Amino acid sequence: EADIYQTPRYLVIGTGKKITLECSQTMGHDKMYWYQQDPGMELHLIHYSYGVNSTEKGDLSSESTVSRIRTEHFPLTLESARPSHTSQYLCASSRARTVNEQYFGPGTRLTVT
Amino acid sequence: QKEVEQDPGPLSVPEGAIVSLNCTYSNSAFQYFMWYRQYSRKGPELLMYTYSSGNKEDGRFTAQVDKSSKYISLFIRDSQPSDSATYLCAMSALQGAQKLVFGQGTRLTINP
Repeated sequence: EADIYQTPRYLVIGTGKKITLECSQTMGHDKMYWYQQDPGMELHLIHYSYGVNSTEKGDLSSESTVSRIRTEHFPLTLESARPSHTSQYLCASSRARTVNEQYFGPGTRLTVT
Repeated sequence: QKEVEQDPGPLSVPEGAIVSLNCTYSNSAFQYFMWYRQYSRKGPELLMYTYSSGNKEDGRFTAQVDKSSKYISLFIRDSQPSDSATYLCAMSALQGAQKLVFGQGTRLTINP
């Protein structure tokens, strides 16, 4: 089983609150990713990082931000949560040479009321 | 139009049946093809990985790629209840590509 962790697993929070979703991996992978997944829908890439101090936006427009200060840690922050942010957020990582073999965390299911 | 199309199902079959899961795609630059399995309340896990056209077998699982038809398949032989999950196809154009493009997943249930 892959060593990639996400906390919290479930979060219910009110509109306007600031939240940070945590993601950590112990595999030493350089590449890390955040995806958004709605029921019955494909995964959409919202952020990715090739290494420390490197972050890029993905295909899906997102109001979230990310940081990569340490190789193992890739948190995602929403400054002001809205009901439209309700979704499942998946973190993943891969070795630097390939984007294809991605290891996923268990996900954070976020509900904004 | 989506780059990758996958029938969301749900698909329900009896234990022991052969299951066929499929994806079509429109981008002829795709060369790397993956199948991920996602159990309920878990993240996806890589199941099969193939490059270009051809077949790849791993135990009860066989992945097929037909680049001329832009069509990929995953076959599961002697299906088990533990195979019940959502199966996502994914693909990328280059080894160093920035991203994978995922299908929406097919929800599969194997009935004992």
